Amino acid sequence: AQSVTQLDSQVPVFEEAPVELRCNYSSSVSVYLFWYVQYPNQGLQLLLKYLSGSTLVESINGFEAEFNKSQTSFHLRKPSVHISDTAEYFCAVSDQGGNKLVFGAGTILRVKS
Amino acid sequence: DTGVSQDPRHKITKRGQNVTFRCDPISEHNRLYWYRQTLGQGPEFLTYFQNEAQLEKSRLLSDRFSAERPKGSFSTLEIQRTEQGDSAMYLCASSLGRISGNTIYFGEGSWLTVV
Repeated sequence: AQSVTQLDSQVPVFEEAPVELRCNYSSSVSVYLFWYVQYPNQGLQLLLKYLSGSTLVESINGFEAEFNKSQTSFHLRKPSVHISDTAEYFCAVSDQGGNKLVFGAGTILRVKS
Repeated sequence: DTGVSQDPRHKITKRGQNVTFRCDPISEHNRLYWYRQTLGQGPEFLTYFQNEAQLEKSRLLSDRFSAERPKGSFSTLEIQRTEQGDSAMYLCASSLGRISGNTIYFGEGSWLTVV
């Protein structure tokens, strides 16, 4: 079985500052890793995913995450945040059989002007 | 592509009543998932279907919960004899095959409040 720990429940940050949202996972088998974003009153949207290959993956809106197998981490980073990035971010893991996602508790990113 | 559609978006019911939620997945997606999300928590897996077959159910899915996917298209999630602890958002998602390489798309959820 897999589990996900998101180390921060809320992260306040000023606009144009860098941010890191931390995610650690536990699994006895190889995994796929995901970050989803949930804007207020909306469903979850996939932000980025790691399946294989390069350990650094990027999204179209400037976020990136790096898979670190030795640290069992998949932290999400953005060098300069915007007000519109305010949302809740969920880290998720799946075993490579790929039947379901296991989510962390979420991190609320609050971007202040 | 109309996305995953859920109905109703909000439901308030009295304890002991039955409720049913409907999910219409993205056309041609053969996998359909149900998750439950409570405040301050991430989504928790409830069950999934491959076409019309229900292949896995979480222990969270008590006997009062039943999900169906007749003809492998839309799905319903019924909760019988609702309890206050059932108050949550119920999320439906769909994908084309297994997760590996294939994105799971989520609907906007159905909020249930049991009073």
